Amino acid sequence: GQQLNQSPQSMFIQEGEDVSMNCTSSSIFNTWLWYKQDPGEGPVLLIALYKAGELTSNGRLTAQFGITRKDSFLNISASIPSDVGIYFCAGQKTGANNLFFGTGTRLTVIP
Amino acid sequence: EADIYQTPRYLVIGTGKKITLECSQTMGHDKMYWYQQDPGMELHLIHYSYGVNSTEKGDLSSESTVSRIRTEHFPLTLESARPSHTSQYLCASRPGRGHSTDTQYFGPGTRLTVL
Repeated sequence: GQQLNQSPQSMFIQEGEDVSMNCTSSSIFNTWLWYKQDPGEGPVLLIALYKAGELTSNGRLTAQFGITRKDSFLNISASIPSDVGIYFCAGQKTGANNLFFGTGTRLTVIP
Repeated sequence: EADIYQTPRYLVIGTGKKITLECSQTMGHDKMYWYQQDPGMELHLIHYSYGVNSTEKGDLSSESTVSRIRTEHFPLTLESARPSHTSQYLCASRPGRGHSTDTQYFGPGTRLTVL
């Protein structure tokens, strides 16, 4: 199946620092989604992107739909301990019914 | 935002037992999905449904089966559980129309352990 590569695989940062992570694919997607998953819970949608070049914010989170439509970026500003979790990107192609999920970025915030 | 529920949240059973994992959503979403996820790993689609009486297998082969008799309900069944079925099972749904059609909303998951 499709593979979405996320980097970095894991991050350890100090509280208050900004975070950047990205998701790349060899295929073109028409939708990019970013989810956060806490241990033992289901993923929760953070941001949805529907247009190439789109930049969307949700509080301290900002995500961008790459111009090539093969990548997306998520930034978290001024990280706090509750940002800890695994962040997954997901992409969807036109006409497809399924999402393809990335490999995840595990974020640890050190107080 | 969708309200989607899964029960049980945690299940520990012995090998050979038949189990059904429940998933219900109250938003009238047409499309529903089951994913399997090992801890901290990516999600793998095992089943999906376009609507009532529609079921399809996903990318990852699974010995489980699903049914969709009602729009709001999408149960997953394992006829004879094995230790290799130990995993987290996540249910998701999404609307059938509109700009948010690509957005899937997830339930809290069922963590299954087969001894």
